[in-house]
Amino acid sequence: AQSVTQLDSQVPVFEEAPVELRCNYSSSVSVYLFWYVQYPNQGLQLLLKYLSGSTLVKGINGFEAEFNKSQTSFHLRKPSVHISDTAEYFCAVSELRETSGSRLTFGEGTQLTVNP
Amino acid sequence: DTGVSQDPRHKITKRGQNVTFRCDPISEHNRLYWYRQTLGQGPEFLTYFQNEAQLEKSRLLSDRFSAERPKGSFSTLEIQRTEQGDSAMYLCASSQSTSRELFFGEGSRLTVL
Repeated sequence: AQSVTQLDSQVPVFEEAPVELRCNYSSSVSVYLFWYVQYPNQGLQLLLKYLSGSTLVKGINGFEAEFNKSQTSFHLRKPSVHISDTAEYFCAVSELRETSGSRLTFGEGTQLTVNP
Repeated sequence: DTGVSQDPRHKITKRGQNVTFRCDPISEHNRLYWYRQTLGQGPEFLTYFQNEAQLEKSRLLSDRFSAERPKGSFSTLEIQRTEQGDSAMYLCASSQSTSRELFFGEGSRLTVL
């Protein structure tokens, strides 16, 4: 079975500083990887995804992530954060199995708080 | 807009009552998913439909939970005899069978008193 571990439950950072949110996954088969963002009392919005090809993927709002197969990681980065980036961030994995559709397994989330 | 729509957004009920949530997916999406999210946790998979067929159910989906998608369009999630532990955000998502990207609705928050 697949699993996702987000290594930091909370990440406080000052505005305009760089940030990295860490994600490790476990799976016995090939996977697709995703980062979603959730603002309070809202649903999840896709930030970026890795399906194949280049291991460095760029997403919305200036975020990027790098897939590292040997370390089974998919860390999210942004070189300079804004107050508006304050939100909960979820890493998710989808296994390459037709029987599960595009079912996602999520990590427990990382609360990013950007302080002025 | 043709995003995923969920109704109601908030529901407060007393323990033992039945509740039903509705999800309208993006119109061209044939896959529909239900997830549950409790406070401070990531979403947990409940069930998944392809068209009208329910193809997978999580062990989290007890006998008190039932989901339907009768015409392969909207879906309902019913919880019978609610318990306080059912308090959570219920998220619906949809996707095309040719895509791995899920589009989520705003969620339906359930509070059981």
